[in-house]
Amino acid sequence: EAQVTQNPRYLITVTGKKLTVTCSQNMNHEYMSWYRQDPGLGLRQIYYSMNVEVTDKGDVPEGYKVSRKEKRNFPLILESPSPNQTSLYFCASRPWEGAYYEQYFGPGTRLTVT
Amino acid sequence: DAKTTQPPSMDCAEGRAANLPCNHSTISGNEYVYWYRQIHSQGPQYIIHGLKNNETNEMASLIITEDRKSSTLILPHATLRDTAVYYCIVRSDTSGTYKYIFGTGTRLKVLA
Repeated sequence: EAQVTQNPRYLITVTGKKLTVTCSQNMNHEYMSWYRQDPGLGLRQIYYSMNVEVTDKGDVPEGYKVSRKEKRNFPLILESPSPNQTSLYFCASRPWEGAYYEQYFGPGTRLTVT
Repeated sequence: DAKTTQPPSMDCAEGRAANLPCNHSTISGNEYVYWYRQIHSQGPQYIIHGLKNNETNEMASLIITEDRKSSTLILPHATLRDTAVYYCIVRSDTSGTYKYIFGTGTRLKVLA
């Protein structure tokens, strides 16, 4: 089954404790992306990657890091989480080229930083 | 990427057509219009996209005005399961940027 998976789905952590949220897709997609969603602010893009070793900032990259060492994986790293990073996070992927630009989204990771 | 403007919320009676408008007055010639929806806190789901012609698929129809400055997503026979937040996005990979700007969308409530 074609899918985007995220782990963990729920995470409660404390300020300053480094964490990684993993994202993996099995569709051989080149483009992958991370979003955060907060009440009243909609979906905002954090980082995206056009292919292995190629990443760029979205609209809200501060406080986050990403890496793309393999095509299927795109982990989101919070080196020193803060309470304002409490949010619902989504990973997404899509093919790089072609007329069909649909993004496939993962199920989300709900992060609480205390 | 051009920005879009959508009403924050709409109601629709079950079985009726839901018409969700989107303004994108600064859209450029190579930018597509995309619609996604998000049910509760699930991951957004792609619905439809188009460039300038009207499009229809099994989920919805997309009507784009001739000047391309606005569009309407039509759910022909809305059901309670169509209650969701609907996002209109305009973008193109050839514009030199590969970002997605979702905005806050329209919260559609289908009423029984």
